Amino acid sequence: DTGVSQNPRHKITKRGQNVTFRCDPISEHNRLYWYRQTLGQGPEFLTYFQNEAQLEKSRLLSDRFSAERPKGSFSTLEIQRTEQGDSAMYLCASTGQDGTYEQYFGPGTRLTVT
Amino acid sequence: KQEVTQIPAALSVPEGENLVLNCSFTDSAIYNLQWFRQDPGKGLTSLLLIQSSQREQTSGRLNASLDKSSGRSTLYIAASQPGDSATYLCAVSWDGSEKLVFGKGTKLTVNP
Repeated sequence: DTGVSQNPRHKITKRGQNVTFRCDPISEHNRLYWYRQTLGQGPEFLTYFQNEAQLEKSRLLSDRFSAERPKGSFSTLEIQRTEQGDSAMYLCASTGQDGTYEQYFGPGTRLTVT
Repeated sequence: KQEVTQIPAALSVPEGENLVLNCSFTDSAIYNLQWFRQDPGKGLTSLLLIQSSQREQTSGRLNASLDKSSGRSTLYIAASQPGDSATYLCAVSWDGSEKLVFGKGTKLTVNP
């Protein structure tokens, strides 16, 4: 039973560069969520997919952020023209169709923008 | 505004002690509430999920309760161990949205 996986685990980039993160949900989970967590804070919701459809987006998701889930399996989160304020842990979660909506989280991708 | 608050922000206890972590939320129309554990620099591990129709859930030494009318949940940890040291996060989803809204967490230290 493999859990949610995320790659890369760590990313260091210079301000202004584009970065892309990948999330592979638990097999057969049809819902996938992205959150962002800064130091000392709880995770904040960014967006979520049901299959390939992006159903909800936070106002935190500025036009520099885009997320996709093209075939309803893995998802990517891209940040264009990174800023130092984008430095955070980016967490992915998935949930199945048992009606409980219990979310299972991956290990996260730590982004540092220098 | 839908918010989740956790008190205290940090807690230090001696090994073996029973302890309670608190979580409060605005708006009682919740769908479910989850408790998570987070170790430093790591992702979140789901501990317990309570659906809105339930009053409590138990797993091993952990017991979580839910009182929707007062907007509160507690996580009870029995016979604490040094390995329980971590940050504990409470998260709520409300009717009409699947997103989780998190508190800032309680950092627990269990001293041997």
